[in-house]
Amino acid sequence: GQQVMQIPQYQHVQEGEDFTTYCNSSTTLSNIQWYKQRPGGHPVFLIQLVKSGEVKKQKRLTFQFGEAKKNSSLHITATQTTDVGTYFCAGFQKLVFGTGTRLLVSP
Amino acid sequence: ETGVTQTPRHLVMGMTNKKSLKCEQHLGHNAMYWYKQSAKKPLELMFVYSLEERVENNSVPSRFSPECPNSSHLFLHLHTLQPEDSALYLCASSQDPQGISNYGYTFGSGTRLTVV
Repeated sequence: GQQVMQIPQYQHVQEGEDFTTYCNSSTTLSNIQWYKQRPGGHPVFLIQLVKSGEVKKQKRLTFQFGEAKKNSSLHITATQTTDVGTYFCAGFQKLVFGTGTRLLVSP
Repeated sequence: ETGVTQTPRHLVMGMTNKKSLKCEQHLGHNAMYWYKQSAKKPLELMFVYSLEERVENNSVPSRFSPECPNSSHLFLHLHTLQPEDSALYLCASSQDPQGISNYGYTFGSGTRLTVV
Protein backbone atom coordinates (compact mmCIF):
# COMPACT_ATOMS: atom_id res chain seq x y z
CA GLY A 1 0.00 0.00 0.00
CA GLN A 2 0.90 3.65 -0.17
CA GLN A 3 3.60 4.62 2.32
CA VAL A 4 4.96 8.02 3.22
CA MET A 5 8.25 8.13 5.04
CA GLN A 6 9.89 11.12 6.65
CA ILE A 7 13.51 11.70 7.55
CA PRO A 8 14.96 12.41 9.97
CA GLN A 9 12.72 11.05 12.70
CA TYR A 10 14.21 13.48 15.19
CA GLN A 11 16.51 16.49 15.07
CA HIS A 12 17.89 18.72 17.78
CA VAL A 13 19.27 22.08 16.62
CA GLN A 14 20.57 25.22 18.24
CA GLU A 15 18.42 28.27 17.87
CA GLY A 16 19.41 30.08 14.71
CA GLU A 17 20.42 26.96 12.80
CA ASP A 18 18.52 25.81 9.73
CA PHE A 19 16.41 22.65 9.65
CA THR A 20 15.09 20.47 6.83
CA THR A 21 12.74 17.50 6.88
CA TYR A 22 12.11 15.29 3.87
CA CYS A 23 9.01 13.38 2.90
CA ASN A 24 9.12 10.46 0.45
CA SER A 25 6.19 8.55 -1.00
CA SER A 26 6.19 5.13 -2.58
CA THR A 27 3.62 6.35 -5.11
CA THR A 28 2.97 9.51 -7.09
CA LEU A 29 0.89 11.98 -5.12
CA SER A 30 -1.84 14.26 -6.39
CA ASN A 31 -0.93 16.78 -3.72
CA ILE A 32 0.80 17.02 -0.39
CA GLN A 33 0.01 18.83 2.82
CA TRP A 34 2.22 19.76 5.76
CA TYR A 35 1.15 19.92 9.40
CA LYS A 36 2.80 20.96 12.64
CA GLN A 37 1.99 19.42 16.01
CA ARG A 38 3.27 21.17 19.11
CA PRO A 39 4.10 18.97 22.13
CA GLY A 40 0.83 17.99 23.78
CA GLY A 41 -1.14 19.56 20.94
CA HIS A 42 -2.90 18.51 17.78
CA PRO A 43 -1.82 18.74 14.14
CA VAL A 44 -2.31 22.16 12.59
CA PHE A 45 -2.42 22.61 8.82
CA LEU A 46 0.45 24.64 7.39
CA ILE A 47 0.22 24.43 3.61
CA GLN A 48 -0.75 22.42 0.55
CA LEU A 49 1.35 21.84 -2.57
CA VAL A 50 -0.26 20.65 -5.77
CA LYS A 51 1.96 21.33 -8.76
CA SER A 52 5.08 19.46 -9.77
CA GLY A 53 8.14 21.43 -8.64
CA GLU A 54 6.05 23.89 -6.66
CA VAL A 55 7.76 26.04 -4.04
CA LYS A 56 5.88 28.02 -1.41
CA LYS A 57 7.15 30.18 1.43
CA GLN A 58 5.68 31.18 4.75
CA LYS A 59 8.06 33.58 6.48
CA ARG A 60 11.02 31.37 7.50
CA LEU A 61 9.43 28.16 6.17
CA THR A 62 10.01 26.98 2.58
CA PHE A 63 8.03 24.07 1.18
CA GLN A 64 8.92 22.19 -2.01
CA PHE A 65 7.14 19.53 -4.03
CA GLY A 66 9.35 17.31 -6.15
CA GLU A 67 9.23 17.24 -9.91
CA ALA A 68 7.99 13.65 -9.89
CA LYS A 69 5.45 14.45 -7.15
CA LYS A 70 6.81 11.66 -4.98
CA ASN A 71 8.75 13.73 -2.49
CA SER A 72 8.59 16.99 -0.63
CA SER A 73 10.65 19.01 1.81
CA LEU A 74 10.16 21.60 4.50
CA HIS A 75 13.06 23.91 5.27
CA ILE A 76 13.12 26.25 8.24
CA THR A 77 15.64 29.08 8.15
CA ALA A 78 17.13 30.32 11.44
CA THR A 79 15.04 28.18 13.78
CA GLN A 80 13.41 29.67 16.84
CA THR A 81 12.23 27.97 20.03
CA THR A 82 8.66 28.46 18.79
CA ASP A 83 9.42 26.03 15.95
CA VAL A 84 9.57 23.12 18.39
CA GLY A 85 7.16 20.33 17.50
CA THR A 86 6.60 17.44 15.13
CA TYR A 87 6.20 18.16 11.44
CA PHE A 88 4.09 15.79 9.37
CA CYS A 89 3.60 15.59 5.66
CA ALA A 90 0.36 14.08 4.38
CA GLY A 91 0.20 12.71 0.89
CA PHE A 92 -2.81 12.15 -1.29
CA GLN A 93 -4.00 9.90 -3.47
CA LYS A 94 -5.60 8.42 -0.39
CA LEU A 95 -4.54 10.57 2.53
CA VAL A 96 -1.61 8.99 4.31
CA PHE A 97 0.33 10.81 6.99
CA GLY A 98 4.08 10.55 7.12
CA THR A 99 5.93 9.26 10.14
CA GLY A 100 6.76 12.76 11.30
CA THR A 101 9.95 14.60 12.23
CA ARG A 102 10.29 15.81 15.77
CA LEU A 103 12.21 19.06 16.04
CA LEU A 104 13.80 20.24 19.24
CA VAL A 105 15.37 23.71 19.34
CA SER A 106 17.73 24.75 22.13
CA PRO A 107 18.11 28.44 22.94
CA GLU B 1 -10.34 26.59 19.84
CA THR B 2 -9.92 25.19 16.35
CA GLY B 3 -13.59 24.97 15.34
CA VAL B 4 -13.49 21.25 16.07
CA THR B 5 -14.32 20.37 19.66
CA GLN B 6 -13.63 16.99 21.21
CA THR B 7 -14.83 15.68 24.55
CA PRO B 8 -13.65 14.40 26.88
CA ARG B 9 -10.02 15.55 26.76
CA HIS B 10 -8.90 12.64 28.91
CA LEU B 11 -10.53 9.27 29.51
CA VAL B 12 -9.47 6.30 31.60
CA MET B 13 -11.55 3.18 31.13
CA GLY B 14 -11.45 -0.46 32.09
CA MET B 15 -11.46 -3.20 29.51
CA THR B 16 -15.08 -4.06 30.25
CA ASN B 17 -16.37 -0.49 30.11
CA LYS B 18 -18.39 1.17 27.37
CA LYS B 19 -17.68 4.81 26.64
CA SER B 20 -18.11 7.27 23.79
CA LEU B 21 -15.93 10.00 22.37
CA LYS B 22 -17.66 13.05 20.94
CA CYS B 23 -16.61 15.44 18.21
CA GLU B 24 -18.39 18.55 17.03
CA GLN B 25 -17.36 20.86 14.21
CA HIS B 26 -18.58 24.41 13.76
CA LEU B 27 -17.00 25.01 10.37
CA GLY B 28 -19.71 23.83 8.00
CA HIS B 29 -17.41 21.12 6.67
CA ASN B 30 -18.75 18.15 4.72
CA ALA B 31 -16.38 15.44 5.90
CA MET B 32 -15.31 14.21 9.32
CA TYR B 33 -12.62 11.75 10.34
CA TRP B 34 -11.36 9.73 13.26
CA TYR B 35 -7.61 9.25 13.61
CA LYS B 36 -5.58 7.28 16.13
CA GLN B 37 -2.19 8.59 17.20
CA SER B 38 0.04 6.21 19.14
CA ALA B 39 3.56 6.90 20.33
CA LYS B 40 6.15 6.60 17.58
CA LYS B 41 3.55 5.73 14.93
CA PRO B 42 2.13 7.76 12.08
CA LEU B 43 -1.37 9.08 12.36
CA GLU B 44 -3.70 6.20 11.49
CA LEU B 45 -6.94 6.91 9.70
CA MET B 46 -9.79 4.96 11.29
CA PHE B 47 -13.03 6.20 9.74
CA VAL B 48 -14.17 8.75 7.19
CA TYR B 49 -17.66 10.21 6.95
CA SER B 50 -18.70 12.29 3.99
CA LEU B 51 -22.07 14.01 4.19
CA GLU B 52 -22.98 11.71 7.08
CA GLU B 53 -22.22 8.52 5.18
CA ARG B 54 -19.32 6.32 6.12
CA VAL B 55 -17.02 6.15 3.14
CA GLU B 56 -14.04 4.46 4.69
CA ASN B 57 -13.33 1.97 7.42
CA ASN B 58 -9.65 1.17 7.62
CA SER B 59 -9.85 -2.38 8.99
CA VAL B 60 -10.64 -1.08 12.43
CA PRO B 61 -11.64 -3.69 15.04
CA SER B 62 -15.35 -3.88 15.79
CA ARG B 63 -14.76 -2.75 19.36
CA PHE B 64 -14.62 0.75 17.81
CA SER B 65 -17.99 1.83 16.43
CA PRO B 66 -18.44 5.24 14.78
CA GLU B 67 -21.65 7.18 14.50
CA CYS B 68 -22.38 10.32 12.50
CA PRO B 69 -25.92 11.56 13.23
CA ASN B 70 -25.45 14.78 11.23
CA SER B 71 -22.75 16.68 9.41
CA SER B 72 -21.65 18.50 12.57
CA HIS B 73 -21.32 15.61 15.01
CA LEU B 74 -19.25 12.48 15.11
CA PHE B 75 -19.03 9.86 17.83
CA LEU B 76 -16.71 6.98 18.49
CA HIS B 77 -18.30 4.31 20.67
CA LEU B 78 -15.85 2.15 22.57
CA HIS B 79 -16.42 -1.23 24.19
CA THR B 80 -14.22 -4.03 25.51
CA LEU B 81 -11.04 -2.22 24.57
CA GLN B 82 -7.54 -3.57 25.06
CA PRO B 83 -4.59 -1.81 26.71
CA GLU B 84 -2.94 -1.44 23.29
CA ASP B 85 -5.86 0.78 22.29
CA SER B 86 -4.50 3.46 24.61
CA ALA B 87 -3.68 6.43 22.38
CA LEU B 88 -4.65 9.95 21.40
CA TYR B 89 -7.83 9.87 19.34
CA LEU B 90 -8.15 12.83 17.02
CA CYS B 91 -11.20 14.03 15.18
CA ALA B 92 -10.78 16.13 12.05
CA SER B 93 -12.99 17.78 9.49
CA SER B 94 -12.50 19.14 6.00
CA GLN B 95 -14.55 21.04 3.47
CA ASP B 96 -13.70 18.61 0.70
CA PRO B 97 -14.29 14.89 1.47
CA GLN B 98 -11.03 14.19 -0.32
CA GLY B 99 -9.30 16.67 1.97
CA ILE B 100 -7.87 18.42 -1.05
CA SER B 101 -8.29 22.05 -0.23
CA ASN B 102 -6.08 24.97 0.58
CA TYR B 103 -7.27 24.75 4.17
CA GLY B 104 -6.42 21.10 4.78
CA TYR B 105 -7.83 19.20 7.67
CA THR B 106 -8.87 20.93 10.89
CA PHE B 107 -8.11 18.76 13.89
CA GLY B 108 -9.67 18.81 17.32
CA SER B 109 -7.53 18.77 20.44
CA GLY B 110 -8.01 15.03 20.83
CA THR B 111 -9.04 12.63 23.56
CA ARG B 112 -6.19 10.99 25.46
CA LEU B 113 -7.50 7.49 26.12
CA THR B 114 -5.97 5.12 28.63
CA VAL B 115 -7.28 1.56 28.87
CA VAL B 116 -6.49 -0.19 32.12
